This record gives sequence, C-alpha cells and structure tokens, in this order.
Amino acid sequence: QSALTQPASVSGSSGQSITISCTATSSDVGTYNLVSWYQQHPGKAPKLMIYEASKRPSGVSNRFSGSKSGNTASLTISGLQAEDEADYYCCSYAGSSTWVFGGGTKLTVL
Amino acid sequence: QITLKESGPTLVKPTQTLTLTCTFSGFSLSTSGVGVGWIRQPPGKALEWLALIYWDDDKRYSPSLKSRLTITKDTSKNQVVLTLTNMDPVDTASYYCAHLRNPEYCFDYWGQGTLVTVSS
Repeated sequence: QSALTQPASVSGSSGQSITISCTATSSDVGTYNLVSWYQQHPGKAPKLMIYEASKRPSGVSNRFSGSKSGNTASLTISGLQAEDEADYYCCSYAGSSTWVFGGGTKLTVL
Repeated sequence: QITLKESGPTLVKPTQTLTLTCTFSGFSLSTSGVGVGWIRQPPGKALEWLALIYWDDDKRYSPSLKSRLTITKDTSKNQVVLTLTNMDPVDTASYYCAHLRNPEYCFDYWGQGTLVTVSS
C-alpha cells in the first residue's frame, strides 16, 4: 500500500485546467519539500515534470505547475492538450534513504 | 547529457535470479551526492522503488524486498547491477534504472526500461 495517495483518475476538456493531488498517509510528503511529479505515456519511461514541489525542469511546459501545502502536494495542468493524456505519479523521499511513489493518476483529456 | 539504459534477460523462470545492468553516461557515480536507483512497474500498476546505490557505495533497499535484492556498481565501467533472487510471476514488471542528483530528491533521469517476464 502506497504511502502517497493519488486519485485513480481525473479528466478535463481540452483547454481547461485540472489538478492532481498527492496526499501523504504518513510524514513522507509533509516533512520533505522535495516532491517530484512524473508524466508517463503508455510504454514509455516516466518523465520528470516537477521537482522540489514546484520547480520545472528545463524544457517542461509552463502549463505544468506544482504546489504543496501540509501533507498534500498538487500538480496543476492548465490549457489541457491532447498530448497531456497520460499517467501521472508523485514521488517523495521517505527518509532513511528510501523513496515512495504514489499510486498514479490516469488523466483523460475529453 | 545524462542517459541510462537497462539490459538483461526478458524472460526468467520462477526461482531463478534476475540480473540487470544499468549502463549510464553523462555523469560520474563518483561525484558526491549522486546515486543510481532501480524502480519497477508491473503491467498496469504503479511505480515501486527497489534499491539505490550512492557515489560512496552506500546501498539502500526497499524494506519489503531487502532480503532478495543486491545492488552493486562498477564506476570504471559506468554500470550499476541489480540482482533479485527467487523470482516469482508477481515480479513480472518493467524495470527502470534512474539517476539521483542528490540525496532526498527523487529521480530525474530515467532509462527506457526493460520488461522482465517471469514464467516457466
């Protein structure tokens, strides 16, 4: 059982904004402000979209943004596009050099 | 440019030991703070962190799989090797290696992954 809880699925229409939450069931996310978010298309490796809760790696669209409040981190995608349809995972350092991933959220663009 | 690539068998039999190699470029595993980890993903399921080795040869394992996992590195070859003993069909998954730029961060660069099927 994952220590990071994500909704199984979210959906939004093209052009709209959606938010995916990642809630720690222990102190994982709450203690460390270093949550990352990944995008994964079918058959592909995860791609880093957000790190340190709110920073974007070079080359990632500014339509992707992240935030964190207490034990919940959030990924917001604005101006939804068809190519945003993918699975999204959050990740957190869980202490003692261990890492934990969320259960994943399937984003459907209507 | 950081790249990683996994290699190893695509099919293993139950009870066998899986050995996977991660060959990387664009960084040195002797640089302070750097690590290489392994993550797996069963078909249709979530990512699961397995193991990590740091630049100083410190090794960390998932508590749930610790007894079956071993991670080693060959800095001169830019390789990290993961072994998982006593394979079972539930271990069928895509296995990824990934770069860690600093302790307490999550992984930034990932390999393409390799699908390992456990079946007799």
